[in-house]
Amino acid sequence: KAGVTQTPRYLIKTRGQQVTLSCSPISGHRSVSWYQQTPGQGLQFLFEYFSETQRNKGNFPGRFSGRQFSNSRSEMNVSTLELGDSALYLCASSLGDRGSQPQHFGDGTRLSIL
Amino acid sequence: AQTVTQSQPEMSVQEAETVTLSCTYDTSESDYYLFWYKQPPSRQMILVIRQEAYKQQNATENRFSVNFQKAAKSFSLKISDSQLGDAAMYFCASLEGYSGGGADGLTFGKGTHLIIQP
Repeated sequence: KAGVTQTPRYLIKTRGQQVTLSCSPISGHRSVSWYQQTPGQGLQFLFEYFSETQRNKGNFPGRFSGRQFSNSRSEMNVSTLELGDSALYLCASSLGDRGSQPQHFGDGTRLSIL
Repeated sequence: AQTVTQSQPEMSVQEAETVTLSCTYDTSESDYYLFWYKQPPSRQMILVIRQEAYKQQNATENRFSVNFQKAAKSFSLKISDSQLGDAAMYFCASLEGYSGGGADGLTFGKGTHLIIQP
């Protein structure tokens, strides 16, 4: 069974631009969560989608948004990029029952803001 | 809100020996789960072991086992017979169950960098 696939692996943008990251979950998984990883703040939860609905949201500004499609694939969008948005963005999928089924992570997208 | 604390930024162990990574957490919920994830330089987060808070029995997965002390809110990871491939960042994480509202996703500690010396 294929794992969680994130595209692209690397991305370079400039301040003020916007970016869209993609995540394809493991087949059959309906929950997709997004995390931001930085050296200073560590791993922080962005949001979770389940059956095309945002189920939970972390403490991030409205510039960070996401969506989930009917095939469970998810996209994350960041608008008006800032230098501080440089990070590794990780996507994780699970069957959906919180905790009873663990989250499986992708390799992440490394976003660099110039 | 949950918090997870890993007090050891870095640990070093000789190959084939045993090492224990520490983790403490804080939550007001009774329904929660605890995890250890491993992140090698390839950066993919790999689930090492999972513990349900309502289970008193400590979880084990081959060479990996946990010492779950619920009253002390402690969740340490023991790696036996350490191998070179175990070298990685190890993250302790917690997750609230649905009955607790489950608003925050996984809460991670800052991580422990594990070095395996040949």
